[in-house]
Amino acid sequence: EDQVTQSPEALRLQEGESSSLNCSYTVSGLRGLFWYRQDPGKGPEFLFTLYSAGEEKEKERLKATLTKKESFLHITAPKPEDSATYLCAVQSRGGYQKVTFGIGTKLQVIP
Amino acid sequence: EAQVTQNPRYLITVTGKKLTVTCSQNMNHEYMSWYRQDPGLGLRQIYYSMNVEVTDKGDVPEGYKVSRKEKRNFPLILESPSPNQTSLYFCATRGPSMDQPQHFGDGTRLSIL
Repeated sequence: EDQVTQSPEALRLQEGESSSLNCSYTVSGLRGLFWYRQDPGKGPEFLFTLYSAGEEKEKERLKATLTKKESFLHITAPKPEDSATYLCAVQSRGGYQKVTFGIGTKLQVIP
Repeated sequence: EAQVTQNPRYLITVTGKKLTVTCSQNMNHEYMSWYRQDPGLGLRQIYYSMNVEVTDKGDVPEGYKVSRKEKRNFPLILESPSPNQTSLYFCATRGPSMDQPQHFGDGTRLSIL
């Protein structure tokens, strides 16, 4: 059974204080790992897809990296508008149309 | 603009009173899915649909029904709601490949008393 564990559950940062969120996963053949951002009262919004170990993707202050066991979402010099819950999800290579989500990391960036 | 629209956004109702949550997408996608999100449990898939008239169970289908008569619509039906179905529900759609990201609606918060 595919599993996704995210840590920490919550993170409080000062504006400009860089940090990383962790997503550990076990999957029977990774087809893709997704990062989403979820704001209160909204649905998850897609950020990145990573497909293979060593891959990296960037968008503004966010950078996602992938190894064979985990993914990191690095946040450089965060701003208050980066406050949100960040979700990690995996899609396995099995034929089943299932994406397994982690519980998320709730990030608060304080001015 | 690509949109997934859910209605209602909020609903408080009572045990046993049938309800339907509608979902509509304007991306002409074949794949649609329903999730529920609960504290400490994350997003769990209820049902998904690969195309019109093709639906299948996800991880937590008990107590739910779906139908897919048109490509753009994928309603979630609770025939006899119970308090343990109080949750935040999301509809999602994605493109034809499994490794494409999903686009989510803004959610429906259901409270079953």
